[in-house]
Amino acid sequence: GDSVTQTEGLVTLTKGLPVMLNCTYQTTYSPFLFWYVQHLNEAPKLLLKSSTDNKRTEHQGFYATLHKSSSSFHLQKSSVQLSDSALYFCALRDTGGLSGKLTFGEGTQVTVIS
Amino acid sequence: NAGVIQTPRHKVTGKGQEATLWCEPISGHSAVFWYRQTIVQGLEFLTYFRNQAPIDDSGMPKERFSAQMPNQSHSTLKIQSTQPQDSAVYLCASSRDSGNTLYFGEGSRLIVV
Repeated sequence: GDSVTQTEGLVTLTKGLPVMLNCTYQTTYSPFLFWYVQHLNEAPKLLLKSSTDNKRTEHQGFYATLHKSSSSFHLQKSSVQLSDSALYFCALRDTGGLSGKLTFGEGTQVTVIS
Repeated sequence: NAGVIQTPRHKVTGKGQEATLWCEPISGHSAVFWYRQTIVQGLEFLTYFRNQAPIDDSGMPKERFSAQMPNQSHSTLKIQSTQPQDSAVYLCASSRDSGNTLYFGEGSRLIVV
């Protein structure tokens, strides 16, 4: 079945530095990936979603590129802010089934310090 | 747009008791999903409704868990004979259709003591 792997569980970095959160996936169907962000005690919210192969998508300073060749959709930002402290999930849509349900990675907790 | 509404936000229940969680999807959304979130397991898919019909319950534990969607404005997740391992945040999400963006509610935090 579908699976998503996020290798970093915890990331702590200083404000103003760049960040990259890894996301790789496995599926036998056409991949459609998402990044969701969840601030403390809030609902997960869509941050961005994949486009076509090798095309970068951006939102709120974050960006990611779907690379089918490496089954990856890493999330990046060039300069993190304190408000970026949150839990980040990579998710893969089920494009082969009936529901379009999302399979989530384990999540990466990002803490930005001043 | 009020977003997905979940009640109660917090529930503490004794082991062996029943817990019912409610979800009101965004008006006009035909797809409703339930997920369970724990620190250990992350976000796990439980079940999915489209136009109120149950389509995929492959993530639901076979015993004690059930979900319904009696009308387009609400869905319920019921857990019978709750156990401590059922403690989690239960998230409901809706989307315009099955291929669209999921919008999550803030979740219902269930604690079984």
